[in-house]
Amino acid sequence: GAGVSQSPSNKVTEKGKDVELRCDPISGHTALYWYRQRLGQGLEFLIYFQGNSAPDKSGLPSDRFSAERTGESVSTLTIQRTQQEDSAVYLCASRRGGQIAEAFFGQGTRLTVV
Amino acid sequence: GQSLEQPSEVTAVEGAIVQINCTYQTSGFYGLSWYQQHDGGAPTFLSYNALDGLEETGRFSSFLSRSDSYGYLLLQELQMKDSASYFCAVRDQTGANNLFFGTGTRLTVIP
Repeated sequence: GAGVSQSPSNKVTEKGKDVELRCDPISGHTALYWYRQRLGQGLEFLIYFQGNSAPDKSGLPSDRFSAERTGESVSTLTIQRTQQEDSAVYLCASRRGGQIAEAFFGQGTRLTVV
Repeated sequence: GQSLEQPSEVTAVEGAIVQINCTYQTSGFYGLSWYQQHDGGAPTFLSYNALDGLEETGRFSSFLSRSDSYGYLLLQELQMKDSASYFCAVRDQTGANNLFFGTGTRLTVIP
């Protein structure tokens, strides 16, 4: 695709429900990142996929968070039993890989837990 | 682990020059990037330094000193549209080129 696409753009959910966020990276990009950004804050690393290597899950804040990636395409971030502190914008980025430094971000999913 | 420090806020006058500093600690430094993010928008890539020295891209320049674990972003001829948050980010080769961001600097350009 032309850019990184994330869906939904906005999600309001009740505390305790599960949510699934989707990221479609740019075609051909082997690297994919998920970040969480709370209002006025920086980008908090969550998880990193690079090709067929084991993902770096070191940023996931709890076992309620998980992510999958199908080959070098779509990724889904799942948050189980959502809590109010999960409210944030979840950003996905992809990068071609190798020596290419530039990462391209989607517009994010704004998650509100009520 | 990784840590990156930036000033939280900077204010500068339109037409002036501003420098945003970034100091970092990481176990496997590979390079330093800079991203711009307008309110409500997605971060967009500005520049990347893998080697010491200055990289210039139009009104924006970025500098890196690997020995000092320090870099900066220089914005010249400031325009109102430059008001945004600016993030430095390290590529960490111990994590197979994972990308970690600083807390960001909010730049406000005033007339």
